[in-house]
Formats: sequence, structure tokens, C-alpha cells
Amino acid sequence: ETGVTQSPTHLIKTRGQQVTLRCSSQSGHNTVSWYQQALGQGPQFIFQYYREEENGRGNFPPRFSGLQFPNYSSELNVNALELDDSALYLCASSLMGTSGVGAYFGPGTRLTVL
Amino acid sequence: SQQGEEDPQALSIQEGENATMNCSYKTSINNLQWYRQNSGRGLVHLILIRSNEREKHSGRLRVTLDTSKKSSSLLITASRAADTASYFCATDANTGNQFYFGTGTSLTVIP
Repeated sequence: ETGVTQSPTHLIKTRGQQVTLRCSSQSGHNTVSWYQQALGQGPQFIFQYYREEENGRGNFPPRFSGLQFPNYSSELNVNALELDDSALYLCASSLMGTSGVGAYFGPGTRLTVL
Repeated sequence: SQQGEEDPQALSIQEGENATMNCSYKTSINNLQWYRQNSGRGLVHLILIRSNEREKHSGRLRVTLDTSKKSSSLLITASRAADTASYFCATDANTGNQFYFGTGTSLTVIP
């Protein structure tokens, strides 16, 4: 088990609604990345936050947004939910400048959009 | 879109046998990592190989990297039922742990 926690564990929303997912990073880490994993697929990089700013983004529309707080925890916000947003959302924490030591992943939030 | 592809998509072996899975990727990388995922839960980091390395070992794991072919392989020796999981390769193009994952190999080890 890593020290990365995510909440909630599961969430059910309807199309058009908005959702906020939360992630607490591993102690000593200052960077949080978010990934979307559709059923049967590999995780896809959404974006990364470092020093409370977005530090890289994958191929996701602007309705996916995030925040990082001074304690390095992070939120992922998704507006105008679509059915295809149903997925496991994973966050990963790491220490900037240590590329090559891996990242610690949380257990994920399972989002279902009806 | 996914950065890479993994092969095979699914693999079923008997306990004690070796399991080999392969990963191909598309762009230049700084390092390549392998992760394990149990039943749609969080990812667990297994092993990392840097772009200037060709082979690396960790316990029952052996990873190779061929940057000329943009491919990597993961070998799990003497497999156990507890190795049953999905395995993903992830590449990092020196972007600070911003990973691009392959499609994954689902491994089933039969006791």
C-alpha cells in the first residue's frame, strides 16, 4: 500500500453533472498526476500539477480541470459529464526532479456516468 | 491515444512456468517502467529501466529494453498464483513522471 489516498472510492453521476475527485499525495512528494483508465484499457495521462500549477496535459478537453493545494493534495474536476467519462480515475504522486524512480499510485475512484 | 501496445493481450500459464510479455512504444523515452494492477485497483511499480540500459533484474523479474526497436519485455520467472494481474508498461520522455501507458497484458497463473 502506498501513502496516496483518493476519495471517494465510487461515485455515480448523471450526464451533464459536475464531479470533483480528491487525492492526497505521498509524504515528501510535491507533484500529482491524474490518469483516466477506461475498462480494459491502460491509463491515459490527463494532467500533472506541480507548485500549484498545471505542468503538462494530455489529450483531454478543458472541461477536465484541476487544482493543487499548498499541502500538495489535488483535485480533479470534470464538468458537463459525458457517458464516456465513466472510468477509473487514478492519481499518482511523485517528487519533481526524480524522473526515473517511479510514482506512487492511489487506489483510484470509480466514476459511473448514467 | 495510448503510447504503446502490449503483447499478448492475455496470457494464461501454470504456476511455476515463466511469463513473458512485450511492450512497444512510439517515441523517444528517458525511461520505461512496468506496473502491475490487481482487479482494477491502483498500480504498483515493479521495475524501471533507463534508456541507456539494456537489461535489468529485480527478484523474479527481468526487463529488457531495445531502444532501436522501441520495445521492451518483462519476464516473470517461476510464476505464482499471486502474480495474476494486469501488467502495463509506461514510458517517460523526461517530462517528470508524466507516463504514457501501453494497453496491458492480463496474466492468469493457474495453481
